Amino acid sequence: NAGVTQTPKFRILKIGQSMTLQCTQDMNHNYMYWYRQDPGMGLKLIYYSVGAGITDKGEVPNGYNVSRSTTEDFPLRLELAAPSQTSVYFCASRDPTSGNEQYFGPGTRLTVT
Amino acid sequence: EDQVTQSPEALRLQEGESSSLNCSYTVSGLRGLFWYRQDPGKGPEFLFTLYSAGEEKEKERLKATLTKKESFLHITAPKPEDSATYLCAVGAGTASKLTFGTGTRLQVTL
Repeated sequence: NAGVTQTPKFRILKIGQSMTLQCTQDMNHNYMYWYRQDPGMGLKLIYYSVGAGITDKGEVPNGYNVSRSTTEDFPLRLELAAPSQTSVYFCASRDPTSGNEQYFGPGTRLTVT
Repeated sequence: EDQVTQSPEALRLQEGESSSLNCSYTVSGLRGLFWYRQDPGKGPEFLFTLYSAGEEKEKERLKATLTKKESFLHITAPKPEDSATYLCAVGAGTASKLTFGTGTRLQVTL
């Protein structure tokens, strides 16, 4: 199993551009999450999903959108990128039937200039 | 509001010098206290889940313990490969959303 994969690894955006961060997991986990990590701030939850077709906001959802059309994929959409969205983004997944721990992908480092 | 505070922010140990990392928390409806290891440029790697006060888990040189207000990650006779940032998080709610601390950056030198 590849686990949780994220693409791209790095990206530089100009202010006002849009992009989609991809996240895929091959563990058949129903629950998926998006976090951002800023220096000295800890990881913050952006959005999460408890299954295909179901999404909900986390702590810092403004400026982002998500969709969940399949169990495997949970893309994060940035519309009108702003410098405040410069961060490292992590996707995670969880199998609620086998424990509460989340398994993380390798991250996407995004810079908005 | 759920809160997690980790201390110290950074810790430098010599190889073999045991120590402990602290994680204090407040949460409504705890659904687990989690420890992760994060290497530079990588995603967090799951280490332990603790669910109730008095519970302990061990893995190699690491041992995690839990009380009603805090958790400790004890590192016994650390090696340079234990150098990493250690993250503590609490899970809450039906979706077990995680609230993270800011981490302890551990450096183990020869």
